[in-house]
Amino acid sequence: GQQVKQSSPSLTVQEGGISILNCDYENDMFDYFAWYKKYPDNSPTLLISVRSNVDKREDGRLTVFLNKSGKHFSLHITASQPEDTAVYLCAAGETGANTGKLTFGHGTILRVHP
Amino acid sequence: EAAVTQSPRNKVAVTGGKVTLSCNQTNNHNNMYWYRQDTGHGLRLIHYSYGAGSTEKGDIPDGYKASRPSQENFSLILELATPSQTSVYFCASSTSQNTLYFGAGTRLSVL
Repeated sequence: GQQVKQSSPSLTVQEGGISILNCDYENDMFDYFAWYKKYPDNSPTLLISVRSNVDKREDGRLTVFLNKSGKHFSLHITASQPEDTAVYLCAAGETGANTGKLTFGHGTILRVHP
Repeated sequence: EAAVTQSPRNKVAVTGGKVTLSCNQTNNHNNMYWYRQDTGHGLRLIHYSYGAGSTEKGDIPDGYKASRPSQENFSLILELATPSQTSVYFCASSTSQNTLYFGAGTRLSVL
């Protein structure tokens, strides 16, 4: 089964609004959670990540919220801008496994309209 | 300067032919990965490696082989290419700390 799920294939937000992207996971062993951003015809790049010992991490306009009991994490983008339009991929992995490998969700297309 | 370089960037192959996708990294990372990206599936892990001489099966290894002859190089091999392997392939490297650094991708079409 799919271990990491993004239930919304797309999201449209007005410029200046808040974008909320959601991700659910199944594997109890996951203790690393990340969001990657991907523009068309480009490679994914890491936006922000968090380990399971915290439930929130902020970086500028970005905040990751982690709910371990609910096996859910989300990315909030405040003051959304047209240049935030991209595909957002959530990912999860096990740090203890020493492989660094990540399992990705299918992605959510975020469109920010001026 | 790109630290993960994939070649070729674009490839057209015939069904039944052999295809080799190459990846070189200058990050000195132990771990390397091959993912494919398809609409509706996101990124799916094909093979990965802990270091030179090591290859491990990912989530969708069937129809693919991998080779890690050195710390810097990791190849993905399609011995008998099929149209279902038409996709965009991404190579990545990381330490054990999970942050992946991706190459620019290879667009493969199997006709």
